[in-house]
Amino acid sequence: EMQLVESGGGLVQPGGSLRLSCSASGFTFNNYCIHWVRQAPGKGLESVSAINTIGTNIYYADSVKGRFTISRDNSKNMLYLQMSSLSVEDTAVYYCAKGGPYCNRGLDYWGQGTLVTVSS
Amino acid sequence: QSVLTQPPSVSAAPGQKVTISCSGSNSNIAKNFVSWYQQLPGTAPKLLIYKDNERPSGIPDRFSGSKSGTSATLGITGLQTGDEADYYCGTWDNSLSAGVFGGGTQVTVL
Repeated sequence: EMQLVESGGGLVQPGGSLRLSCSASGFTFNNYCIHWVRQAPGKGLESVSAINTIGTNIYYADSVKGRFTISRDNSKNMLYLQMSSLSVEDTAVYYCAKGGPYCNRGLDYWGQGTLVTVSS
Repeated sequence: QSVLTQPPSVSAAPGQKVTISCSGSNSNIAKNFVSWYQQLPGTAPKLLIYKDNERPSGIPDRFSGSKSGTSATLGITGLQTGDEADYYCGTWDNSLSAGVFGGGTQVTVL
């Protein structure tokens, strides 16, 4: 069974940092682009970042460029999102989602999400 | 402001049909496959339609997708109370080099 399990969310002060992790199982992890998508409370979906199969092509939303870093460890079937200089606008549920063999394809499986709250 | 434009809400009686539009541009919908996602209250999004009009296994044929130029449409026939959810369109934007979503459409079964 395919699974994506996010972890690492929590409460952090403005200006702080946090590292999210996503553990994948049930599929050949290194064959797929993996995405981070977030959803602020009561709001819609926002694409945050994506990384291709071998980590050579990386994409970021303008809202997080220079502050967030996506990475993956194919030997461990893990995806990461290092977040720094966090602001209240970054408060959201963060989902990792499995894409296609290329990052411009749809997201066919989503994790349950991890909540990040930025507040003083 | 979302890159893709969807109506905020649509509604219909049980058994009826609804359509949800998704408007984009030449840099996104016109050049890339469109997907549709269903998000039931309190849950993660779930893929409903991929590659414009394909349904993953387990998705009933009451759900359909189509695309023409810079717009896409999701159709739901035989509306059921269990279809009450938020629906999002999504695709890739070649100019932004990023995934983009619509603002979401809330479907209400009257």
